[in-house]
Amino acid sequence: DQQVKQNSPSLSVQEGRISILNCDYTNSMFDYFLWYKKYPAEGPTFLISISSIKDKNEDGRFTVFLNKSAKHLSLHIVPSQPGDSAVYFCAASSLTGANNLFFGTGTRLTVIP
Amino acid sequence: DVKVTQSSRYLVKRTGEKVFLECVQDMDHENMFWYRQDPGLGLRLIYFSYDVKMKEKGDIPEGYSVSREKKERFSLILESASTNQTSMYLCASRGTAISTEAFFGQGTRLTVV
Repeated sequence: DQQVKQNSPSLSVQEGRISILNCDYTNSMFDYFLWYKKYPAEGPTFLISISSIKDKNEDGRFTVFLNKSAKHLSLHIVPSQPGDSAVYFCAASSLTGANNLFFGTGTRLTVIP
Repeated sequence: DVKVTQSSRYLVKRTGEKVFLECVQDMDHENMFWYRQDPGLGLRLIYFSYDVKMKEKGDIPEGYSVSREKKERFSLILESASTNQTSMYLCASRGTAISTEAFFGQGTRLTVV
């Protein structure tokens, strides 16, 4: 049973506009959330994270929002650039878990020049 | 610069062969993971290890085994390769602190013919 879900397999955005990638989770024990970016034929690279004690974390053009009551998080990229085109994975972990990261199925972002 | 290194970028093996995928990390991390990535399915956990000689099954362990004889090295073994094991295999390592990211290797694209 998928505990972390990314319901949009793909997203296309114009260069310079905002990209919003969404992620939902079912396990209320999750307390740390991460976003990874993956280019073809490469391993995922860490992008940004957020602890459950926060509702927002910002790093340059990337902002992650967490809504614990809705079990929902989102990644905002502003402004979007063509180099942001990649697959984005949402991941979650919990203190009670064995340091596992549970991943969503990914969203392919295409930024159109 | 932290590093997770997978022994091969691309492999082609025949059905029935025993296949070894090697992963080495230089961060002294206790936790190491093997995932496979398939289109539409995201990253699925095959096995993980939280210490030398310790291992736990992930979501899809069937047809795989692992070995961790040294802290820095985690091997994935396909006992008898089958065509449905054609996939991208990703190794990751992570420290014990909950608020840390996992670091991934560059991936091994395995094709079983």
